[in-house]
This record gives sequence, structure tokens and C-alpha cells, in this order.
Amino acid sequence: GENVEQHPSTLSVQEGDSAVIKCTYSDSASNYFPWYKQELGKGPQLIIDIRSNVGEKKDQRIAVTLNKTAKHFSLHITETQPEDSAVYFCAATIPGAGGGADGLTFGKGTHLIIQP
Amino acid sequence: DTAVSQTPKYLVTQMGNDKSIKCEQNLGHDTMYWYKQDSKKFLKIMFSYNNKELIINETVPNRFSPKSPDKAHLNLHINSLELGDSAVYFCASNQWGNEQFFGPGTRLTVL
Repeated sequence: GENVEQHPSTLSVQEGDSAVIKCTYSDSASNYFPWYKQELGKGPQLIIDIRSNVGEKKDQRIAVTLNKTAKHFSLHITETQPEDSAVYFCAATIPGAGGGADGLTFGKGTHLIIQP
Repeated sequence: DTAVSQTPKYLVTQMGNDKSIKCEQNLGHDTMYWYKQDSKKFLKIMFSYNNKELIINETVPNRFSPKSPDKAHLNLHINSLELGDSAVYFCASNQWGNEQFFGPGTRLTVL
């Protein structure tokens, strides 16, 4: 099955600086790579996603890059703000029989701390 | 309106008991999922249901059984609870190939 590695486990940056979180995946057939933000006591919430036919995607201060050859993808957050503090998870699809019933394989999470 | 809701939010019970967690989505999605998040925050897929049919069943003990009375509901029944079942359980749903929406979670504590 799919295996997703995520680094670092904890990342502390000064407010206003950039943060980068990196993930690698094992199954070359994976084709969908979402990033989720989880705040304390809440469920994960999608912040950005990318599909295997795209190399980069940006949404305001957040961007994701995908290198299919190397099987890694990264989350970039620029101009970090205190409200960016949370746990971030990368994920990849488990290639399934189709029909959208593809459970996500998650990385182990990165605790992002924004220092004021 | 809440997109994916779960009840209860907290569940404290004794070893050996049987319990259920309910999940409802009002997004009209075809597929629903259950994930388990352990004490180290690791999220792992347990089940998914697509049009009332079980699609994925990971290596989960058969004490866990998902039940879907209709497309909008996917409940999780757990028999003979064990200490190791303590975790936060998340329900999620999506429409084919798109973003999964997660519920707020149910924190299960087995004493």
C-alpha cells in the first residue's frame, strides 16, 4: 500500500517568515495530494490540493509543488501569521477501484509554531 | 449548516462495552469514511462506503463495523471495547475524486 513520509515533525518560524513542509510518497500510481490543517480540538480542514497532472498550485499565501519523478510534494506558506499555528498533514490517495472511494494515506503531521 | 456532523463528541466507557458513533453529512456526497487518529496524531483510514457498499476495509479488527442506513449516514459500531481503541474517530465524506470534508471528531476513552 501507499506510504507517506512527512518532515519536519515540528517547525518553529518567526511571524512573517516562510514555512516549508515536505512529504514523499511511495506509490507512483497516487494521483491526488491534499494538505490539511488541523487546529486543536477540530477536524482536519483542506487548505490546498494538487493533482498529478499539475506541478504547482498557489492560493494567496499558500502554495504546493509536486515532483512526480522524485515522488515528493511540498507545502509553502509565506508571510506566516499567528493563526497559521496548527498541525499540518499531507496525504495521498490510495489507488482504488475508482468511484471516488479512495481513502487518504496521511503523513504523520507537522506541528507549525509561529513565534510572535 | 454543519456539513459533516458526529455524535457524540466525547465518549467515555468501560472495557468490554459496546458503543456506537453516528455520522451524518448534508453535502449530498456519495462516499463516506471513518478515520482513526491515535494519541500521536496519526490519522489512518478505517472504512469507506460508496453508495451503501463497503469499498475499503483496512486491517481493522472485526469488532469494528460500519453501518450505513442511507447515503447521508455512516455509523461506526464497536463491540467489546479495548484500551487500545481509545482515540479520536473522524468521519469524512466526498464526491467522486474531490476534497474530503471531515467532521469534528469523537474522542473515545476506554477505561
